[in-house]
Amino acid sequence: QVQLVESGGGAAQPGTSLSLSCAASGFKFSIFSIHWVRQAPGKGLEWVAAVSYDGRKTYYADSVKGRFTISRDNAEEKASLQMSSLRTEDSGVYYCAKEVSSTSPDAFEMWGQGTMVNVSS
Amino acid sequence: AIQLAQSPSSLSASVGDRVTITCRASQSIRSALAWYQQKPGMPPNLLLYDAAFLKSGGPSRFSGSGSGTDFTLTINRLQPEDFALYYCQQYHTYPITFGQGTRLDIK
Repeated sequence: QVQLVESGGGAAQPGTSLSLSCAASGFKFSIFSIHWVRQAPGKGLEWVAAVSYDGRKTYYADSVKGRFTISRDNAEEKASLQMSSLRTEDSGVYYCAKEVSSTSPDAFEMWGQGTMVNVSS
Repeated sequence: AIQLAQSPSSLSASVGDRVTITCRASQSIRSALAWYQQKPGMPPNLLLYDAAFLKSGGPSRFSGSGSGTDFTLTINRLQPEDFALYYCQQYHTYPITFGQGTRLDIK
């Protein structure tokens, strides 16, 4: 069964760090780029970051550049999002997503169920 | 960053109607556009990619068209399960961007 499962969300204070994980199964993880997308409560979708199939290339939204780090471990079929210097505006549901094809960038064919991050003092 | 403007932001329709949602990009994205449907409490679900290609197994009442800067999503013969939020997304250039969304409600 093809699936992505996020974990690691929770409550955090502004200025602190949190690490999210995305566990993949059911497909050849090592050939697809992985993305993180977030959605603040009642708001639209915001792309956050992407990591290439081999982990050598990373891309970030301006809103998180310098604060978030995306990475992957193909042996463990897992992607991660390390978030630091958190702000209240970083709150929301964080989804990881897999592309349609191995030719990146591409549309997001598969999404996880999401993990909630709540940054508040 | 490439901006995507969706219109309308909301619309009301009845079961059986045909509706069209448009998405305009601030610069050419060729055909690198996808449409997603999202229901409350659920992740987005890919409907179409490369502007006009229906995701495998997706309902054929959904269709997409356009290239360059102007795109449309058409839903024929609306079904009760189609009332949801719809987003367009460009993946031509990083940063990847989404439209602001269109809420489709039952009239």
